[in-house]
Formats: sequence, C-alpha cells, structure tokens
Amino acid sequence: EVQLLESGGGLVQPGGSLSLSCAASGFTFRNYAMTWVRQAPGKGLEWVSIISGSGDNTYYTDSMKGRFTISRDNSKNTLYLQLNSLGADDTAVYYCAKGSSSWYFPYFDYWGQGALVTVSS
Amino acid sequence: EIVLTQSPATLSVSPGEGATLSCRASQSVNRNFAWYQQKPGQAPRLLIYGASTGATGIPARFVASGSGTEFTLTITSLQSEDFAVYYCQQYNNWPLTFGGGTKVEIK
Repeated sequence: EVQLLESGGGLVQPGGSLSLSCAASGFTFRNYAMTWVRQAPGKGLEWVSIISGSGDNTYYTDSMKGRFTISRDNSKNTLYLQLNSLGADDTAVYYCAKGSSSWYFPYFDYWGQGALVTVSS
Repeated sequence: EIVLTQSPATLSVSPGEGATLSCRASQSVNRNFAWYQQKPGQAPRLLIYGASTGATGIPARFVASGSGTEFTLTITSLQSEDFAVYYCQQYNNWPLTFGGGTKVEIK
C-alpha cells in the first residue's frame, strides 16, 4: 500500500524559513517523480514543484522559484521542500504526491494528507 | 502557462441525478489531462488520467472524455459520497497547472 506522510509544518514568522518532509513507503521510491502541491485556506490547488526519480531534474512554478527548494533522499525514501522568505500568502496546506512516471509530465496518483504551514507574526 | 478554466464553479444536484463538469484549456494539452476529487478536510484523489481512463478503484459512474482543449467529466446518478470539489489538471506542459475547481453540492 502506497503511503505518503508529510511532517514539518507549523507556525513561522514572515520572512522565516521552514522545511517539510514527506516519508514514502509501499513503492520503489527512486523510480518515480515526486511533487509538492499547496492549497491556501478555502482556495484551489496550486502546483509548487517537482523532482525526477533520480533527483537530477527539478521544476518550480515561477512565483516560488528562488525561494523554495525541492530535494529527495532515495536512500531514505524521503522527499523534502525547503521554504525560505515566507510571506502570508504562503500560508497553505502543502501536499506531497507521487508522480505516475520517473520524470516527464506525470499525473499524481497518490497524495499525502498534507502539512499546514501558517505564516504569521 | 496553460490556464485551465472549469465550469460551472458550483453545481447543485439532487442525489440520483447526473452531473457534467467542464474544463477548457487555453491551448492544446492533447490527452495529458487528469481529474481529481477532493472532499472537505481530505487530500485530493485521482479519478481520471489520460483524459478518459479511470484510476484504480474509481466507480464506473465517473465517465470522462475530451482531448485538445475541451474536457468533460460526467457523474451518472450521484451518490452521497460524490458531493465534493473536482479539479482538472494538465500535464502536457511546464508548469503543470490545475483548474480552479467545481463544487458539486447537494440540491
């Protein structure tokens, strides 16, 4: 059974940083791209970033490029998202999701339950 | 960036009736297109990929079609567990994008 478990969410001050993790199990982690998608309170889904199965390729939504960094440790079956220079509009539930392929243009077939990030003073 | 426009924003339907949701892409995405269902307090769930292929375990009452720029999701005979928000997504071009969602509510 595929399981994705996010951790690391919480309250952070504006301008601060936070690191999210997503522990994966139930599939061969290194064979699949992984992604982060966020959802602000009461809003729709917003795709954040993706990393290839090998970790060699990444892509970010323009508005988050330079502030967020996606990475993975295939030896630990864990996906990460480093969030820097956070603002109030970064407040959201951050979901990790498994891609359907190792890199090119996957859809997302399994999702974690999400980690809430609240940016507030 | 490919913009996905979903319509209607809200659909009021009585249990047992059918519902048709639409999603229009600002440029062709071929059939690299998915639908997701999200219930309150839950993560999204994949319903459809490849524009018309049902994901594992998805009931046959969810029927999807389309290609290029026009896509539809039809739910025949809505059950109580089908009232939710539905999102479309394209995976043909970077950045990957989602539509704004259609809420299917009980009439």
